[in-house]
Amino acid sequence: SQKIEQNSEALNIQEGKTATLTCNYTNYSPAYLQWYRQDPGRGPVFLLLIRENEKEKRKERLKVTFDTTLKQSLFHITASQPADSATYLCALDILSGAGSYQLTFGKGTKLSVIP
Amino acid sequence: IAGITQAPTSQILAAGRRMTLRCTQDMRHNAMYWYRQDLGLGLRLIHYSNTAGTTGKGEVPDGYSVSRANTDDFPLTLASAVPSQTSVYFCASSDAAGEIDTQYFGPGTRLTVL
Repeated sequence: SQKIEQNSEALNIQEGKTATLTCNYTNYSPAYLQWYRQDPGRGPVFLLLIRENEKEKRKERLKVTFDTTLKQSLFHITASQPADSATYLCALDILSGAGSYQLTFGKGTKLSVIP
Repeated sequence: IAGITQAPTSQILAAGRRMTLRCTQDMRHNAMYWYRQDLGLGLRLIHYSNTAGTTGKGEVPDGYSVSRANTDDFPLTLASAVPSQTSVYFCASSDAAGEIDTQYFGPGTRLTVL
């Protein structure tokens, strides 16, 4: 079956360091992959999308890579700040049991940036 | 621009009662979705609607129903609530006109069924 996994439930890093979050998927070749941020008590917010033919995408201090051979995406936050503390979700379209493609989310990695 | 609004913000409900969670978007998006989020299980799709007048089942549809009478509104109904439906419910929408399904989420409804 198709699966999407975020390896770490929680990640603690020191302020100013680069945070790297991992998203792996199996038994599928997605056309694109998305990353969302979720703060406590709020809904997820879209951050970045990367297509299968793009190796890397950047937005300010955020960088996403997409390795379709390894079936993995890495999400980097450079010069991390306490305000970056949140849960980060990866998502991709997966074929559902009903035969349609649905955006499916990983369980998320809770990032804590320590001052 | 409000984006997506959900009501109520939170609710405590007795088991067996009927409950409708409301969701309204002002972005004129074609597609709308209902998810539940539980600790350790992440976001799971309950029902979706690709366009007004159509709905489909997601990963965990049992015990829930939806309707999509117009573009803006997508209510989720629990016909007879059970404690296992205690969760945080998120409504989302997307302009799924092309191949990209980037979703915009509401603030959520925290539901407790006793």
